[in-house]
Amino acid sequence: EIVLTQSPGTLSLSPGERATLSCRASQSVASSYLAWYQQKPGQAPRLLIYGASSRATGIPDRFSGSGSGADFTLTISRLEPEDFAVYFCQQYGRSGLTFGGGTKVEIK
Amino acid sequence: QVQLVESGGGLVKPGGSLRLSCAASGFTFSDYYMGWIRQAPGKGLEWVSYISSSGGTIYYADSVKGRFTISRDNAKNSLYLQMNSLRAEDTAVYYCARGRERIQFWSIDYWGQGTLVTVSS
Repeated sequence: EIVLTQSPGTLSLSPGERATLSCRASQSVASSYLAWYQQKPGQAPRLLIYGASSRATGIPDRFSGSGSGADFTLTISRLEPEDFAVYFCQQYGRSGLTFGGGTKVEIK
Repeated sequence: QVQLVESGGGLVKPGGSLRLSCAASGFTFSDYYMGWIRQAPGKGLEWVSYISSSGGTIYYADSVKGRFTISRDNAKNSLYLQMNSLRAEDTAVYYCARGRERIQFWSIDYWGQGTLVTVSS
């Protein structure tokens, strides 16, 4: 089973700042199989990025995904108030889907 | 618009059973892979199971294999999860989810609002 490790656990930033979230896999992941989600309290997750770098429908272009192999990154270019939330990466493999532990982006 | 509405959650004793349902609308249900994802209170996301569009391909997480059964009724636009031999560690919000890619379950583009399952004596 591929394990995804997200860092940092918590990111304290101010609106307007840039957020860089990391997702590291225990072995190589095909880029097609890497996704990112945003989750706010009491809500279901929302798909942001699929295929490592493709934005899902309706996702603002301040969200971008990059990376390959075992290292992937989600970047939020300028944080808006509604972006403060928890972010999860997810991969698909032969053992099914696995999720990272999440990064909480909080207001500094 | 796409809607996924779960039902069937509740409080059950350890060793008990529960059946979750997910009513889908706003898309051609029979075209898509579907699955269940759960989230224990205050914890991260855990994939539970997914099923192909026809129902012919099914996968389970090791943590539920042999205890949970996923199924679908394309005529009723519904997804199900039969949960047997429930344990305290199965306590979670269970989300119904649609695979984005149609042909597989690589990522999830729509989620239901979730239904809470609590396993406790």
